[in-house]
Amino acid sequence: AQKITQTQPGMFVQEKEAVTLDCTYDTSDQSYGLFWYKQPSSGEMIFLIYQGSYDEQNATEGRYSLNFQKARKSANLVISASQLGDSAMYFCAMRGTFTGTASKLTFGTGTRLQVTL
Amino acid sequence: EPEVTQTPSHQVTQMGQEVILRCVPISNHLYFYWYRQILGQKVEFLVSFYNNEISEKSEIFDDQFSVERPDGSNFTLKIRSTKLEDSAMYFCASSDPYEQYFGPGTRLTVT
Repeated sequence: AQKITQTQPGMFVQEKEAVTLDCTYDTSDQSYGLFWYKQPSSGEMIFLIYQGSYDEQNATEGRYSLNFQKARKSANLVISASQLGDSAMYFCAMRGTFTGTASKLTFGTGTRLQVTL
Repeated sequence: EPEVTQTPSHQVTQMGQEVILRCVPISNHLYFYWYRQILGQKVEFLVSFYNNEISEKSEIFDDQFSVERPDGSNFTLKIRSTKLEDSAMYFCASSDPYEQYFGPGTRLTVT
């Protein structure tokens, strides 16, 4: 079984600053994947970034990077140069070992990010 | 850019009625999922589907729920007899195989 913990219910950041959203996970699987999704107030779930447990380098996608620390079981999302449009709920999620069939995601409780002027 | 689509965006139904939520996954994806999110809560897994059969289902996915891939493009979730507690946002997702892309969701309101 997988467990995701997001301990920051809400975060504030000033426009143009960087912000780190915390995520820790627990799993007994040797192979797994970590995801971050953005959920704006309109409700859709937008895929941001993915990190496989055996990927040697931290994943990056534009202004998003995933700070993966395997020994600490953490997968923090770093957003650089925050924009007002980054204000949203952010969910960390993980999947267990891929066995060839579909692999469900387990989600955390989310962090609401508010970007201020 | 290919995307997952869902219809309808909002469905209102009376308790005890059947509803069918529809999804069109990304065309070259092979793995399909349904999740739900009760208002203000985290996203919960319902069911996964691969090779025309259910791969895994959660304890939420009881006999009132069923999924089907009736043709090469659609993926449906049926709730046979809706309850008040089924009110939630229902998300379809697809992957090939790792990165799961979500549709915009169907907001189901049971009255």
